[in-house]
Amino acid sequence: GAGVSQTPSNKVTEKGKYVELRCDPISGHTALYWYRQSLGQGPEFLIYFQGTGAADDSGLPNDRFFAVRPEGSVSTLKIQRTERGDSAVYLCASSLEAGDAQYFGPGTRLTVL
Amino acid sequence: AQRVTQPEKLLSVFKGAPVELKCNYSYSGSPELFWYVQYSRQRLQLLLRHISRESIKGFTADLNKGETSFHLKKPFAQEEDSAMYYCALSGWAAGNKLTFGGGTRVLVKP
Repeated sequence: GAGVSQTPSNKVTEKGKYVELRCDPISGHTALYWYRQSLGQGPEFLIYFQGTGAADDSGLPNDRFFAVRPEGSVSTLKIQRTERGDSAVYLCASSLEAGDAQYFGPGTRLTVL
Repeated sequence: AQRVTQPEKLLSVFKGAPVELKCNYSYSGSPELFWYVQYSRQRLQLLLRHISRESIKGFTADLNKGETSFHLKKPFAQEEDSAMYYCALSGWAAGNKLTFGGGTRVLVKP
């Protein structure tokens, strides 16, 4: 079946702009996770949804970052007033239930100029 | 707080030689350990999880709670094993999120 998909695959924006990154999880997966991977590092946790609610948002770096999952399927990660330090690959993963194996999407490469 | 350490950034081995990727962790409670692999231009994919005790593509990993390690091993490396490998930790106390190590790049030379 179809895996996790993310759009866009690449996003270039200017400092101070607003961006939205989209994640389509595997159908039927109730848990959805966002991670951020900077160059030369492992992925770092941002936020995790169980159904529609954010079960853990402890990894969001500041209040410029926000994510939603209104219908318990697709999720959108929103970044306001982007900064050059936000440049990274943003990864989405989903799992059947929380605690199950996580399956990753291809990522969105965000570049803030 | 949980932490995963992969001390080697790069491992270079010849085809047919054994390869071992080190992973050490710190965690309060019973951890769940994973190895993920990322081949060139592909997405991150699950290679092994310790609770399944499977051998995938000839790789095995044993959880050693005394040494807080979860090293990944393969007795005979193949060129197609060249990739980036990440050790990761999860668990109830970690809120089900994955904590990743910094990754080890494996290069298998012909």
